[in-house]
Amino acid sequence: NAGVTQTPKFQVLKTGQSMTLQCAQDMNHEYMSWYRQDPGMGLRLIHYSVGAGITDQGEVPNGYNVSRSTTEDFPLRLLSAAPSQTSVYFCASSLTPYNSPLHFGNGTRLTVT
Amino acid sequence: AQSVSQHNHHVILSEAASLELGCNYSYGGTVNLFWYVQYPGQHLQLLLKYFSGDPLVKGIKGFEAEFIKSKFSFNLRKPSVQWSDTAEYFCAVNANSGGYQKVTFGIGTKLQVIP
Repeated sequence: NAGVTQTPKFQVLKTGQSMTLQCAQDMNHEYMSWYRQDPGMGLRLIHYSVGAGITDQGEVPNGYNVSRSTTEDFPLRLLSAAPSQTSVYFCASSLTPYNSPLHFGNGTRLTVT
Repeated sequence: AQSVSQHNHHVILSEAASLELGCNYSYGGTVNLFWYVQYPGQHLQLLLKYFSGDPLVKGIKGFEAEFIKSKFSFNLRKPSVQWSDTAEYFCAVNANSGGYQKVTFGIGTKLQVIP
């Protein structure tokens, strides 16, 4: 049972480049989400999904797109990377979208130069 | 909107010392509260949670937390820390308003336990 798997672990981008951070879970969780972790700011919610085909914005959605075509996968897309998006990104899932503990992936450390 | 404050950003303790990490939240309604821990090089994992009932909740590895509604607090405690408790600890809150969860995290407290 792998839990929540994120790839890649590390990534360096140049300003303006695009990329997709991958997240997959094998626990049949309904709810999936993306957070970014920055020093002194804790984790902030970017986007979340409550099921295939259903996504919504979190606290800091600008510059990021998501989609959820299957229960298992929830990729995060950066269309035009900016230095302000340098961060550690965590994907998290939970069994239900209501009051359910989060299970986290190992994170992706992204640097935008 | 809900928010979470963690008062201690960096705590250094000797082994066997007692630990208390402060956490306060702001939200006027019913909340679910969590403490997550991130050991060096690992992902965040759930330490304990409060949904309802007994305000004193016990988690893994001897940790406990007490929900004090009147103080909007959910402080984490451990009577005697070990070197293996060195980690970053995050308090989190979800407003239990009937809608989809949007968990808000505090900025974290880095705990360093000195052998």
